[in-house]
Amino acid sequence: DTAVSQTPKYLVTQMGNDKSIKCEQNLGHDTMYWYKQDSKKFLKIMFSYNNKELIINETVPNRFSPKSPDKAHLNLHINSLELGDSAVYFCASSQDRVSRTQYFGPGTRLTVL
Amino acid sequence: QKEVEQDPGPLSVPEGAIVSLNCTYSNSAFQYFMWYRQYSRKGPELLMYTYSSGNKEDGRFTAQVDKSSKYISLFIRDSQPSDSATYLCAFDSGNTPLVFGKGTRLSVIA
Repeated sequence: DTAVSQTPKYLVTQMGNDKSIKCEQNLGHDTMYWYKQDSKKFLKIMFSYNNKELIINETVPNRFSPKSPDKAHLNLHINSLELGDSAVYFCASSQDRVSRTQYFGPGTRLTVL
Repeated sequence: QKEVEQDPGPLSVPEGAIVSLNCTYSNSAFQYFMWYRQYSRKGPELLMYTYSSGNKEDGRFTAQVDKSSKYISLFIRDSQPSDSATYLCAFDSGNTPLVFGKGTRLSVIA
């Protein structure tokens, strides 16, 4: 059973398009995250939700909009995609907002042409 | 000064070697120190987690924290080809998001 799953695994799209990435965790965790890992492998947090409530929003362009329909799901919608959005996007979850252990999904490799 | 510095490598060692991976940091507020392992095309997974200065051992892995020098290390004994991965240090101040190093790519050659 996959603990944290993401779809799609790969996403290739044109500049200007809108796309969504979905994440689900079956660990019963309260807190979920979105990270961006660029071509240099630098992993940086974008958003965090705790029980469907946004708790971290790290200076991310407004084109990125997370949405948590329930605490097991955290989706990421990106409007007007730009070349610089090309990266691997990882979803993660933790037991709660103070837990130090985060479980990462397999990543979604986004390529913007 | 960058908040976290980590040599990206790549680091290539023969099987059985002792590997030393290091990170330095500048933020005195960091209280929790972690090492994540990331295999190619996979998500990071937590390997080791320490709270204070000192050593923590788990099998072939030892995490070392020196808060006075703002320096953390991960040692891998008897390295195996299956240890080939990127190792990311990560830091937590307790009330801010995790801060990751850029990762060190390790190759263990059989």
